[in-house]
Amino acid sequence: AQTVTQSQPEMSVQEAETVTLSCTYDTSESDYYLFWYKQPPSRQMILVIRQEAYKQQNATENRFSVNFQKAAKSFSLKISDSQLGDAAMYFCAYRSAIWTDSWGKLQFGAGTQVVVTP
Amino acid sequence: EAGVAQSPRYKIIEKRQSVAFWCNPISGHATLYWYQQILGQGPKLLIQFQNNGVVDDSQLPKDRFSAERLKGVDSTLKIQPAKLEDSAVYLCASSVRTGGANVLTFGAGSRLTVL
Repeated sequence: AQTVTQSQPEMSVQEAETVTLSCTYDTSESDYYLFWYKQPPSRQMILVIRQEAYKQQNATENRFSVNFQKAAKSFSLKISDSQLGDAAMYFCAYRSAIWTDSWGKLQFGAGTQVVVTP
Repeated sequence: EAGVAQSPRYKIIEKRQSVAFWCNPISGHATLYWYQQILGQGPKLLIQFQNNGVVDDSQLPKDRFSAERLKGVDSTLKIQPAKLEDSAVYLCASSVRTGGANVLTFGAGSRLTVL
C-alpha cells in the first residue's frame, strides 16, 4: 500500500515571500500521479497542481510550482509571492496509474497548515 | 458547471443516534467517493462507487456505516449507531473515469459532531 507523509504540521510565511512544503511518499509502482490540494476554512478541497510521474519536467501553475524528485520519492510545493488568500491547509496526494476497479482514488498525507502574515 | 453538492453542512448528534449525509455529484461523473476527514488528519477513503456499484469499501466500518448510490447519481452515507470517534468531516467527491490525471472535484463537506 502507498503512504504519503507530510512532516510539517504548520508553516508560516510573510506576504510576498516564498514558502516550500514537503511531501514524501512510498510506493513500489513506477507510474502514478501526485497532487497538491488546498483546503481553506470553508473545507472545499481545491486542486492546486498535479504531476505525472513519467514527466521529468516539474509542473507549474502561476505562483505554485513543484520539485518532483522521483528517485527520492519527494514532491515539494513552492508557493511564491505568498498572498493572504493562500492561507489554508495543504494536502499532498498520491494516485496510482494502474487500472483497477478502484482506479482513481487518492491517498492523502496529513496536511500542512500554511499561515500567511501581513 | 455546478459543483458537488452536500448536505447537511453541520450535524450534531448524541452517540448511538443515527445520521445520514447526502451527496449530488457533478452531472456526468460516473465515479463517486466518500472520504472521512478527522480533525488534524488527511482525508481517508471510505467507499468508492462506479455508477451505482461499489468498487472499494475496504475501509468502511460496515457494522455501522452504509452507503448507497441510487441510479448512479445521488449518494447517501449513513451511520448507525454513531460513536464519538465518528466525529469528522465527511467529504464527497466525484470524477469522470477516464485516463490521465482524472481530477477529483470535492464538495464542501458535512461536519459531524457526536456528543
